[in-house]
Amino acid sequence: DAGVTQSPTHLIKTRGQQVTLRCSPKSGHDTVSWYQQALGQGPQFIFQYYEEEERQRGNFPDRFSGHQFPNYSSELNVNALLLGDSALYLCASSWDRGSGANVLTFGAGSRLTVL
Amino acid sequence: GIQVEQSPPDLILQEGANSTLRCNFSDSVNNLQWFHQNPWGQLINLFYIPSGTKQNGRLSATTVATERYSLLYISSSQTTDSGVYFCAVLSRRPQAAGNKLTFGGGTRVLVKP
Repeated sequence: DAGVTQSPTHLIKTRGQQVTLRCSPKSGHDTVSWYQQALGQGPQFIFQYYEEEERQRGNFPDRFSGHQFPNYSSELNVNALLLGDSALYLCASSWDRGSGANVLTFGAGSRLTVL
Repeated sequence: GIQVEQSPPDLILQEGANSTLRCNFSDSVNNLQWFHQNPWGQLINLFYIPSGTKQNGRLSATTVATERYSLLYISSSQTTDSGVYFCAVLSRRPQAAGNKLTFGGGTRVLVKP
């Protein structure tokens, strides 16, 4: 049973470029959330997708956008990259039982460096 | 929003020692998870424990929801226990729809041989 898979694992971009990160949820999960983790800090919630729609969003600018596909996989897009976007981007999946009491499973992350 | 504080921020242990990590949160929660982040960044789910006590090998956790805290116990620590331990919670309040986990700042653990 494959867990949450993310790609690419590492990437380097320059300021102003755009990046797309990909996530495949754990088998049986239908909800995908994205988190940003800066060096030395805890992960910060970016947004969550359920039924191909953005259900909840954290305090991130519109440069951060996403998508969920019918097979529940998801993409995170960041436009006009800034140096401060350098971070580990984590994808988490879960099965929505409607009560909020769901266990999140995280992928290994995509480490983005912006030069 | 809900606040999560973890203590201590850093912990250095001799192999074989026991330790207790604490997580305080500011509001009622539907979900509380403890994670271990290894040096490669992978977040491993240790416990889903919104209330009560659970044990898994040398690790155990207790959440006292009425007093808004959770404890993670590490017994007979090993060098492989090194890494960062995070507590993350989901507020019970209605506006917190979905699974937006709020993380604490983490406890950085180093176990020396």
